[in-house]
Amino acid sequence: QVQLQESGPGLVQPSQTLSLACRVFGDSINDGGHYWNWIRQPPGRGLEWIGYLHSTGSTSNNPSLNSRATMSVDPSKNEFSLTVNNMTAADTAVYYCVRGGWFEAFDIWGHGTMITVSS
Amino acid sequence: DIVMTQYPDSLAVSLGERATINCKSSQTVLSSSNNKNYVAWYQQKPGQPPKLLISWASSRESGVPDRFSGGGSGTDFTLTISRLKTEDVATYYCQQYFNIPWTFGQGTRVEI
Repeated sequence: QVQLQESGPGLVQPSQTLSLACRVFGDSINDGGHYWNWIRQPPGRGLEWIGYLHSTGSTSNNPSLNSRATMSVDPSKNEFSLTVNNMTAADTAVYYCVRGGWFEAFDIWGHGTMITVSS
Repeated sequence: DIVMTQYPDSLAVSLGERATINCKSSQTVLSSSNNKNYVAWYQQKPGQPPKLLISWASSRESGVPDRFSGGGSGTDFTLTISRLKTEDVATYYCQQYFNIPWTFGQGTRVEI
């Protein structure tokens, strides 16, 4: 059974950088079979796709984040990461790591981690 | 960007009755190369991540009850819950995976 587990700081100060990690269990990021995504959901609102990465090194980000988001992978930990710089209150949300993308829907979701931007 | 618009925003349905949610995309999400519609439907309950119900517009995921069905093609899609149960109270989202950036509808809240 594939499971994804996010980890993050919970609280980020305005203008600082957010760093999140997602550990993958039951699947290998490196086998190239899937795309690995970050999706966020502000409190009481809808879902926004942030971006994906693939084991080939291919990445894609949502232009709505104005190039503030970067993703990377650590194959040794079977883990992928997200950094978002220059965080503002508008970035307060639950952040999910999710499997899926080209040629497949988002079929496996982590439980999500709440990130609050506040001083 | 492909805009996904759901309607209604919310609906109240009696137990055992049918619920129908509509989703319209701002451009086609039907691929001419494989004749597939790149639309998925998700169910989200409070405090939980979304759960994939249907992919390719009408293909139900394993373990999803058969009272959930998806339909439509091109730009117009529907999710139907044929006989509403208490556990179906949730917010439902459509999503397109045809073009980057992948986008979601705003959600439809289903209540009893």
